[in-house]
Amino acid sequence: GENVEQHPSTLSVQEGDSAVIKCTYSDSASNYFPWYKQELGKGPQLIIDIRSNVGEKKDQRIAVTLNKTAKHFSLHITETQPEDSAVYFCAASIPYTGTASKLTFGTGTRLQVTL
Amino acid sequence: EAQVTQNPRYLITVTGKKLTVTCSQNMNHEYMSWYRQDPGLGLRQIYYSMNVEVTDKGDVPEGYKVSRKEKRNFPLILESPSPNQTSLYFCASSPLPGFSGVYNEQFFGPGTRLTVL
Repeated sequence: GENVEQHPSTLSVQEGDSAVIKCTYSDSASNYFPWYKQELGKGPQLIIDIRSNVGEKKDQRIAVTLNKTAKHFSLHITETQPEDSAVYFCAASIPYTGTASKLTFGTGTRLQVTL
Repeated sequence: EAQVTQNPRYLITVTGKKLTVTCSQNMNHEYMSWYRQDPGLGLRQIYYSMNVEVTDKGDVPEGYKVSRKEKRNFPLILESPSPNQTSLYFCASSPLPGFSGVYNEQFFGPGTRLTVL
């Protein structure tokens, strides 16, 4: 089955700096790669996603890049702010076939933005 | 307000005492899923359901049961809880994938923190 590895497990940056979180996946059939943000005491929430036919996607201060050949994808947050402090999860999904369903998550990265 | 609700939010119980964690969504989603979150292990899928009366195992189904009698509800049942089931549990829902086979955004509930003594 799919295996998703996520690094680093913790990341501390100063406000205004950039943060990068990296994930690798094992199943070359995976075609959907979402990123979720989990704030303290809340459930994860989708912040950005990318599909396998796209190499990069950007939404204001966050961007995701995908390298299908190397089977890795990354989350980039620019101009970090204190409210970016949270746990971030990457995930990968094989295509839905009607008989099986799988969204595999990474182990999470705790991002702390310091003043 | 579109949301996924879970109850209870916190639960402390003892080994062997059957419990149910309820999950309900008001978005008419076909797909529902249960995850457990443990430090260093991320989110692991317990069970999922593609629609009413259709459920299947995820990565860590041992010790858990689910049912999907109604589209909006997807309860998680622990028949005989053990301490290794102490965890943070999340229910999630989403529309089924479209023709492209690509998944849609999953909406998560607020979580249930379970402690089994």
